[in-house]
Amino acid sequence: QQQVKQSPQSLIVQKGGISIINCAYENTAFDYFPWYQQFPGKGPALLIAIRPDVSEKKEGRFTISFNKSAKQFSLHIMDSQPGDSATYFCAASMPGGTASKLTFGTGTRLQVTL
Amino acid sequence: KAGVTQTPRYLIKTRGQQVTLSCSPISGHRSVSWYQQTPGQGLQFLFEYFSETQRNKGNFPGRFSGRQFSNSRSEMNVSTLELGDSALYLCASRPGPGNTEAFFGQGTRLTVV
Repeated sequence: QQQVKQSPQSLIVQKGGISIINCAYENTAFDYFPWYQQFPGKGPALLIAIRPDVSEKKEGRFTISFNKSAKQFSLHIMDSQPGDSATYFCAASMPGGTASKLTFGTGTRLQVTL
Repeated sequence: KAGVTQTPRYLIKTRGQQVTLSCSPISGHRSVSWYQQTPGQGLQFLFEYFSETQRNKGNFPGRFSGRQFSNSRSEMNVSTLELGDSALYLCASRPGPGNTEAFFGQGTRLTVV
């Protein structure tokens, strides 16, 4: 079981609002959970990542909340800006030799309106 | 520091042909992974190379192969192309194996006609 389920598929938020994207995983062996941002024509860029030993990590306007018992994690974008309009992917990987394999969610297309 | 460089950026090939894509990782990075991105299947792991050895492989047919050179540059090859192979192929580099940050290139857009 390697699935990572991501929701919503698309999201429209007004400038200054909070964008929230959720992910759920099945495999409890996952121990690294990054979020990637992708603009059209570009490769994914790492935004922020978390490990299961912490419940929250904040970097600037971006926060990951992690709920190990529920096997869920979410990305919060505070004070959303039009420049944040992009597709966001959650991902997960396992430790050891399989750590190279990132299992991605299906992506959320975020549009921040003026 | 230069980022991950993938060449070419765009490719158009005919069904049945083969194609080779190239990836130069960030200087000093020795691990290279390849991913396929399509609207239907999303981002899927193809394989990873470290020290010229394939360390991990995704669920793709044997038509997809790769290699890594002593300077850490990597190539992936797709033989007997099918229409469904049309995708954005992304390369990611890391300093080494393990849960370290993966840096992606801009990808190669392959169109099979």
